[in-house]
Amino acid sequence: SYVLTQPPSVSVAPGKTARISCGGNDIESKSVHWYQQKPGQAPVLVIYYDRDRPSGIPARFSGSNSGNTATLTVSRVEAGDEADYYCQVWDSSSDQMVFGGGTKLTVL
Amino acid sequence: QVQLRESGPGLVKPSETLSLTCNVSGVSISSAYYWGWIRQPPGKGLEWLGSVYHTGTTDYNPSLRSHLAMSLDTSNNQFSLQLTSVTATDTAVYFCVRVLATVRAFDVWGLGTMVTVSS
Repeated sequence: SYVLTQPPSVSVAPGKTARISCGGNDIESKSVHWYQQKPGQAPVLVIYYDRDRPSGIPARFSGSNSGNTATLTVSRVEAGDEADYYCQVWDSSSDQMVFGGGTKLTVL
Repeated sequence: QVQLRESGPGLVKPSETLSLTCNVSGVSISSAYYWGWIRQPPGKGLEWLGSVYHTGTTDYNPSLRSHLAMSLDTSNNQFSLQLTSVTATDTAVYFCVRVLATVRAFDVWGLGTMVTVSS
């Protein structure tokens, strides 16, 4: 089955840029989606189709996908961005939805 | 505004069947979306369980396929999950979700319901 690999944690100072990676074999051939989950809450879709933002998601959130790595970038990080972030793809060869293990973003 | 709300027992005994329902408001489940279930064990990551298309076609996580069933109830605009022969490892928060059919992203989530498997 398809595997997505994320770093367990990323730390960033307020106002700086956070980059969270999601690794997978030839991931650029797939559509990558990103979710933000704050403690005790349901996840929220923040990026879909590699780089598109749902309505209501700030432009500070952006995504890219190339080669074997997709990246979620959070610019001008705020304290409220502290959360767990998950990447997800649909593996069409097996018709499965796959999540990465999640990355905890800490705002210093 | 589309809203999803899970309902079902919070406690299930080992070897029994876990049954959950997701009530959908703001959109018809007969429209061209998938509807699915995701779970999250305490302190762990997200696991996709399966999805059911508006036509009734299902896709299940292979690791759970033999224990899973999902279905639509169009008359009540809700869909359901049944997980048989549960064990303690099935203890988790269960989320129902709407799935964008073209890109298979989960764009609307329920609040989640905690299910504990214990005797």
